[in-house]
Amino acid sequence: GAVVSQHPSRVICKSGTSVKIECRSLDFQATTMFWYRQFPKKSLMLMATSNEGSKATYEQGVEKDKFLINHASLTLSTLTVTSAHPEDSSFYICSAKLQGAVYNEQFFGPGTRLTVL
Amino acid sequence: GQNIDQPTEMTATEGAIVQINCTYQTSGFNGLFWYQQHAGEAPTFLSYNVLDGLEEKGRFSSFLSRSKGYSYLLLKELQMKDSASYLCASERIYNQGGKLIFGQGTELSVKP
Repeated sequence: GAVVSQHPSRVICKSGTSVKIECRSLDFQATTMFWYRQFPKKSLMLMATSNEGSKATYEQGVEKDKFLINHASLTLSTLTVTSAHPEDSSFYICSAKLQGAVYNEQFFGPGTRLTVL
Repeated sequence: GQNIDQPTEMTATEGAIVQINCTYQTSGFNGLFWYQQHAGEAPTFLSYNVLDGLEEKGRFSSFLSRSKGYSYLLLKELQMKDSASYLCASERIYNQGGKLIFGQGTELSVKP
C-alpha cells in the first residue's frame, strides 16, 4: 500500500516550452501532496505544498507563476514548469501524506528527471 | 531559523556498524524522520522519532534527543546494498500544516 507514482519519469524539452509532471497516489487519498526539487548530491528542497481544492502554498523564493501546481482531486497533483530554461533542469519529486499512517510519514514518488536544452 | 546538519560522506565495511549523526534546529518541531535514497530513486522511509529515546527496527535503529536537537541512525550488520544516501528530516508544524526540512544527506559507501 501507499504507492505514489509520477509521470513522466524523464523528460527532455526545449527552452521556452512548458512541461507538466503528474503525481498520483495509487491506493490512497491524499489531501496534501508536496513538490520537491533535488540537485545532484544535494538535499531535497521543498518547493510547495499542494492542497486538494485550494491554492498551493509556495516556499520562499519559489516563483508561483513559473511552477504552477494544481491539485484537482484527492489522488492527483500536477506541477507545470512554464517557459522552462536550462536552469530548471533538475530532479523533481512529489510526495503524499497518508492520513492515519502509523508514523505520519510522507510517501515519495519515483521522481521526474527534467532536462531543458 | 531552520537548520539540519549531517556529514556529507561516510565509509564503512560490510558486516560492521555505522552511526550517522544529525543535528537540527527547527521551530514547531514535530518529529525526526530518516529516509534512505538510492541514486536516481525516491526516498524510502526508514524511521520516525518524536519522543526521546531509541527506536529499533531490525538492522536499523534511530535515536532522538529533543533537548540537544540531536538524532542518529544506527545501521548494523552492514550489507553492500546499504550503500545509499541517508536523509535526516525534521518535521515542522506551522499554521498551514506540517512540512519536512531535509538535511543534505549522508552518502554512505559500504566496502567489502
